[in-house]
Amino acid sequence: DSGVTQTPKHLITATGQRVTLRCSPRSGDLSVYWYQQSLDQGLQFLIQYYNGEERAKGNILERFSAQQFPDLHSELNLSSLELGDSALYFCASGQGGVGGTDTQYFGPGTRLTVL
Amino acid sequence: AQSVTQLGSHVSVSEGALVLLRCNYSSSVPPYLFWYVQYPNQGLQLLLKYTSAATLVKGINGFEAEFKKSETSFHLTKPSAHMSDAAEYFCAVSTSGGSYIPTFGRGTSLIVHP
Repeated sequence: DSGVTQTPKHLITATGQRVTLRCSPRSGDLSVYWYQQSLDQGLQFLIQYYNGEERAKGNILERFSAQQFPDLHSELNLSSLELGDSALYFCASGQGGVGGTDTQYFGPGTRLTVL
Repeated sequence: AQSVTQLGSHVSVSEGALVLLRCNYSSSVPPYLFWYVQYPNQGLQLLLKYTSAATLVKGINGFEAEFKKSETSFHLTKPSAHMSDAAEYFCAVSTSGGSYIPTFGRGTSLIVHP
């Protein structure tokens, strides 16, 4: 158990809908990272938040958005869903230290299926 | 730009045999390198990381990896495979040029035969 929690574990929805994925980081971690894992693209970094502020952005679509709240939990919002958005979405947390040595602890993931 | 190539999407070994999972990286600046393991229906777990200290890095579960700058490689090894090692393994690189966000390889599935 990494200490990172993600809800829900599974989500099935229809095209065009909007969903929210939730992540609670490990106690004491200030940084949250979101990743998408699919067979086509592998593990892709979406976005990072550090203590409530966006720190880095990766291959995140405009239909997707995220935020980190004062209690440090984070939400990833996916809207106008398409079939291709079906994937595993992981949240990871870390200290957010500089210098590339931040160890990321991954949650168990949310499996999104868009029908 | 930073990138990682994992050679072999599947590696099959017998229990007790040497495990060797290959990873080559590309980076124009000094890299930080990571190996993660993912068991079925779970998130990724850090096995070990290289942060410019010792080139031979020891991790959990008996795994180790050696950073070879001349070969731009960071191969993962374990002397004797256990059935419980069967999983997906990911190599990742992060650099200052990539804002220290790791870029992951496509993964190597390790299959262990009894």
